[in-house]
Amino acid sequence: GAGVSQSPSNKVTEKGKDVELRCDPISGHTALYWYRQSLGQGLEFLIYFQGNSAPDKSGLPSDRFSAERTGGSVSTLTIQRTQQEDSAVYLCASSLDGRAGRNEQFFGPGTRLTVL
Amino acid sequence: GQNIDQPTEMTATEGAIVQINCTYQTSGFNGLFWYQQHAGEAPTFLSYNVLDGLEEKGRFSSFLSRSKGYSYLLLKELQMKDSASYLCAVLRGGAGSYQLTFGKGTKLSVIP
Repeated sequence: GAGVSQSPSNKVTEKGKDVELRCDPISGHTALYWYRQSLGQGLEFLIYFQGNSAPDKSGLPSDRFSAERTGGSVSTLTIQRTQQEDSAVYLCASSLDGRAGRNEQFFGPGTRLTVL
Repeated sequence: GQNIDQPTEMTATEGAIVQINCTYQTSGFNGLFWYQQHAGEAPTFLSYNVLDGLEEKGRFSSFLSRSKGYSYLLLKELQMKDSASYLCAVLRGGAGSYQLTFGKGTKLSVIP
């Protein structure tokens, strides 16, 4: 596709339920990133995938959060046993090659997660 | 750790010039990005600085001083559509493992 796509655009769930958020990066981009943006806060790094290498999970806030990237393309962020503090916009970004540093990241439109 | 500071909000008049400052403290500095984010939309890339000095791109310019841990984004001939949040982000790391750390953003309101 032309840009990074994410689904769903909005997700409302009940506390304690699991949710899955999907990201489809730009074709040919080897790097994929997940961020979280809460009201009044900056983008918070969650996890980074580079090709088929082991991901950098250093930003995941708890073991309830996990992510996969299948076939070096589509990624799924899973939040288990959701809590109200998980409510935020979850943004995915991709870049040509994260190892080059300079490569700009292209962001998707985000998934707005609301935990009731 | 790292710390990135930028003003929370700014207001400027259409046609004027505005400067948005960003100061940072970080290890493993590898460059600084500015992104624009309109309300409810994804951030979009504006500029990247890795060397000291001014980078100009149309109405937007970005400046970096690595020794001072300081950057600014300069917007000239402001237009109403420039009303958005402007995010300063520091790239850190190396040896194939980089990470972007974002400031909280500066919400710019352009008024007639």
